[in-house]
Amino acid sequence: DQQVKQNSPSLSVQEGRISILNCDYTNSMFDYFLWYKKYPAEGPTFLISISSIKDKNEDGRFTVFLNKSAKHLSLHIVPSQPGDSAVYFCAASGLKTSYDKVIFGPGTSLSVIP
Amino acid sequence: DAGVIQSPRHEVTEMGQEVTLRCKPISGHDYLFWYRQTMMRGLELLIYFNNNVPIDDSGMPEDRFSAKMPNASFSTLKIQPSEPRDSAVYFCASRYLSQGGYTFGSGTRLTVV
Repeated sequence: DQQVKQNSPSLSVQEGRISILNCDYTNSMFDYFLWYKKYPAEGPTFLISISSIKDKNEDGRFTVFLNKSAKHLSLHIVPSQPGDSAVYFCAASGLKTSYDKVIFGPGTSLSVIP
Repeated sequence: DAGVIQSPRHEVTEMGQEVTLRCKPISGHDYLFWYRQTMMRGLELLIYFNNNVPIDDSGMPEDRFSAKMPNASFSTLKIQPSEPRDSAVYFCASRYLSQGGYTFGSGTRLTVV
């Protein structure tokens, strides 16, 4: 049973437009969420995180939104660039599930078309 | 810093053979994680260590899998005997305390034929 879900396996967006990647979680004990980006033949790299005490966190072109009541988070990339083409993993952890034990979603493959 | 170093990058082995994957974490990091990536299950946590001590191995799929961390700079994941369904990319990651996200290695692509 997947605790972190990314229901869109892939997404294509025009360069310069907004990319929105979605993530849902089922475990209400999660209170810390992360996004990772992965290029082919490389390991995932940490992108941005958000704690459940916030509903938004920004870092340059990347913004993560958290809707705790819906158990939903999203990553917005504005404007999208061809170099953003990668697989994006949503991940979650929590005090009661252990912050050490990060659970990853299956990933969404983003293609930014020039 | 060279980052997390995994070896080998690629491994092809025959069913029934023993396979050993290696990882060198970032110096000073006190947590080490082994993940497996497959198309069906995405990134699964297999086991993690804190200060060289295994903390949670509930993700290890079977007794055929074992992991060790004899010192702060080295860890191994062993599969014996290997089976075709073990074919996946295996990632090692390390982290210092609870700061931010992990640093992942580049992975070992294992193919068992």
